[in-house]
Amino acid sequence: QGQLVQSGTEVKMSGASVKVSCKASGYSFTGYYIHWVRQAPGQGLEWMGWLNPKSGGTKYAQKFQGRVTMSRDTSTSTGYMELSRLTSDDTAIYYCANAPWWELTSWGQGTLVTVSS
Amino acid sequence: QLVVTQSPSASASLGASVKLTCTLTSGHSSYAIVWHQQQPEKAPRFLMKVKADGSHTKGDGIPDRFSGSSSGAERFLTISSLQSEDEAVYYCQTWGSDVSVLFGGGTKLAVL
Repeated sequence: QGQLVQSGTEVKMSGASVKVSCKASGYSFTGYYIHWVRQAPGQGLEWMGWLNPKSGGTKYAQKFQGRVTMSRDTSTSTGYMELSRLTSDDTAIYYCANAPWWELTSWGQGTLVTVSS
Repeated sequence: QLVVTQSPSASASLGASVKLTCTLTSGHSSYAIVWHQQQPEKAPRFLMKVKADGSHTKGDGIPDRFSGSSSGAERFLTISSLQSEDEAVYYCQTWGSDVSVLFGGGTKLAVL
């Protein structure tokens, strides 16, 4: 299942964009989907979408359509999640996780994104 | 439409057993689910995958005290010999017909 290491804490102004990275090691990067999940303060887990690192194909949750972009760099085994037009409601910890398909099996440590007005 | 339901909270005494439930909407009783554990201030951790037939596959290093089972549209996580470090939020996760991923609201387990 390997290891996923995410980029560090981000502080953004309302209206800006944020790009979080997720570097994979210890497994075949193109053999597992990368999912992105977020958790607002004191709340549960919210699925944002997945990326197929082999094909580059993506599927986004309807809530984030038009505002999220997931991408990858196979040369560095890194996945990316970019979220635009940030508001205070986007303040959350963002996690990446890998999965054979839908069953998330290994999680990153999380990246705190704080949006201030 | 598939909905995943979990009780918001549960409690049990140190050394006892507890059984947490994840309920799928009727018509989805064939779906497998995954259980994740999130200890305070930590990232979630994969515990196991539970199939409709009750078979389960655990993640690396998950103690034998954790087991899974199924009955109809219900999926269960049983933790025996409860320890203080089992105090956590437990999330049930599955997939939707539109190739999306669904989480239950989580069950916060208190170890008394």
